[in-house]
Amino acid sequence: EVQLVQSGAEVKKPGESLKISCKGSGYSFTSYWIGWVRQMPGKGLEWMGIIYPGDSDTRYSPSFQGQVTISADKSISTAYLQWSSLKASDTAMYYCARRNTAIDYWGQGTLVTVSS
Amino acid sequence: SYVLTQPPSVSVAPGKTARITCGGNNIGSKSVHWYQQKPGQAPVLVIYYDSDRPSGIPERFSGSNSGNTATLTISRVEAGDEADYYCQVWDSSSDLHWVFGGGTKLTVL
Repeated sequence: EVQLVQSGAEVKKPGESLKISCKGSGYSFTSYWIGWVRQMPGKGLEWMGIIYPGDSDTRYSPSFQGQVTISADKSISTAYLQWSSLKASDTAMYYCARRNTAIDYWGQGTLVTVSS
Repeated sequence: SYVLTQPPSVSVAPGKTARITCGGNNIGSKSVHWYQQKPGQAPVLVIYYDSDRPSGIPERFSGSNSGNTATLTISRVEAGDEADYYCQVWDSSSDLHWVFGGGTKLTVL
């Protein structure tokens, strides 16, 4: 069974750093692109970027370029999304998802709350 | 980048047919995928490649795509279909970039 399991909810202060994770199982992790999607409270889905764990080829949405870093460790089938300095406006649910013919599997989401 | 336009809301009575549109420039030349998101849950793929259904998705869900509009049709709507629905394509500028519509809230009256 294909699964993407994300790390737990985080509460951070503005200016702090954060790295959240997405662990894949039940398939060849290195053979599918993994993307990250932001959903701000009460809002729609926004694509942030994508990584190919096989060679770490990474692409970013222009809206998120320079704001976050996407990485992967194929030895442990895990993709990451990180911030070096969080802002209150980063408060959102973040999903990882697998690209196939469509986006066929999603993680359960990681809620990130940034508040002083 | 490519823009997808959805109506913010659609309302339908139980047992009737709901149609949710997704507009885009010459969207008929692209493959459109649809996702259902219920409150507090991750999105779920309900239609891919315009009109194909993943296993486990009821036949009541169907899709079409032509010209500048793609449509998700839900027949014999049930209370459990109440959710947000998003259309999605791969961007024209890069097949690796994902584009989502703004989402449509389906309300079952």
